[in-house]
Amino acid sequence: QSVLTQPPSASGTPGQRVTISCSGTSSNIGSNPVNWYQQLPGTAPKLLIYNNNQRPPGVPDRFSGSKSGTSASLAISGLQSEDEANYYCAPWDDSLDGWVFGGGTKLTVL
Amino acid sequence: EVQLLESGGGLVQPGGSLRLSCSASGFTFSSYAMSWVRQAPGKGLEWVSTISASGGSTYYADSVKGRFTISRDTSKNTLYLQMNSLRAEDTAVYYCAKELPLLHGMDVWGQGTTVTVSS
Repeated sequence: QSVLTQPPSASGTPGQRVTISCSGTSSNIGSNPVNWYQQLPGTAPKLLIYNNNQRPPGVPDRFSGSKSGTSASLAISGLQSEDEANYYCAPWDDSLDGWVFGGGTKLTVL
Repeated sequence: EVQLLESGGGLVQPGGSLRLSCSASGFTFSSYAMSWVRQAPGKGLEWVSTISASGGSTYYADSVKGRFTISRDTSKNTLYLQMNSLRAEDTAVYYCAKELPLLHGMDVWGQGTTVTVSS
């Protein structure tokens, strides 16, 4: 069981906006930046959002992140079929002295 | 091109040992912390270990503490993970990753190497 709570699944139709939540504690999300990863089927994870709301070069602005207190969210607007993937939140945890990953959310584009 | 290439995975019996390597290229290896992250079949991502840029600080998940050792060789631009006393639950794809400063996540990942622990 992860110390971070994500919904196991989410879905939307092309063009829709979907959000994925990540709930943590004061020792992880409450204290440190939240990063989000996208993992397409059969591939290595890819950094999607870092430092709560920053996008690495090449990541479309359809992807956005936010954080408030001990929770964070990833929003995907203008949903596309290629967005179908697993998404993970991951901050550092000061109590565990290590990275923690959410359980992952499988996004399905209907 | 920034690249990480893992090697060393394979089939090992319970209780056995294995050493994973991760060869880095395209960036100044000595300037960045590096991590290992694993993914068991059909499961999510699990952080395993992190080593600081200097190599002076190491961090481990409780699940591997005392059994795994992370290290780095700057002269060879290579990251290692020595895995001892392997268990069935260590079966996973192991990824190495380059970290951004200030806990801003892992921006470069290798393709992964598969470790299977089974008799």
